[in-house]
Amino acid sequence: SQKIEQNSEALNIQEGKTATLTCNYTNYSPAYLQWYRQDPGRGPVFLLLIRENEKEKRKERLKVTFDTTLKQSLFHITASQPADSATYLCAVSWGYSTLTFGKGTMLLVSP
Amino acid sequence: NAGVTQTPKFQVLKTGQSMTLQCAQDMNHEYMSWYRQDPGMGLRLIHYSVGAGITDQGEVPNGYNVSRSTTEDFPLRLLSAAPSQTSVYFCASSPYSSGSSYNEQFFGPGTRLTVL
Repeated sequence: SQKIEQNSEALNIQEGKTATLTCNYTNYSPAYLQWYRQDPGRGPVFLLLIRENEKEKRKERLKVTFDTTLKQSLFHITASQPADSATYLCAVSWGYSTLTFGKGTMLLVSP
Repeated sequence: NAGVTQTPKFQVLKTGQSMTLQCAQDMNHEYMSWYRQDPGMGLRLIHYSVGAGITDQGEVPNGYNVSRSTTEDFPLRLLSAAPSQTSVYFCASSPYSSGSSYNEQFFGPGTRLTVL
């Protein structure tokens, strides 16, 4: 079965640095890959979507890359701020109708 | 727009009781789904619907029923609650349409359910 793996350990970085989160998947490449942010006690919020034929997508301080050879997506937050502290979820669509989510990686940005 | 709304926010049930978690969206989205989120397990898809009158099972459908009589509403029914169904439940909607790209999902605030 298809699996998604995100680093289960929290990522601790200092304010102003670039945070890089990893999402790895197994077997064949997904059609789409999405990243979400989730704050404690809240529902996930969509951040970025990247398609299998795209290498990179940017939105303000966020950047997502998609490497189908490595079966990996990287999510970068540049000039990180304490307000960026949250859990970030990777979600993958292999079929047309469903998304499979990773377990998420917690990011902690200290002042 | 209210977006995706869920009721109740919190619920405590006894084993064997039934209940319905409500979900509504006012964005005219075709696609709606239910997930449960457990510590260390991530979000898992329970059921989904690509339009009124159409539903399908996700990864963990056992013990849950859904129906989609309108575009706006997608209730999740627990038939006979079990302690293993203690979880946080999220409803989501997306402007899915046939022949187009899969789009971002808009999540509700969640329902925290405890089954004793």
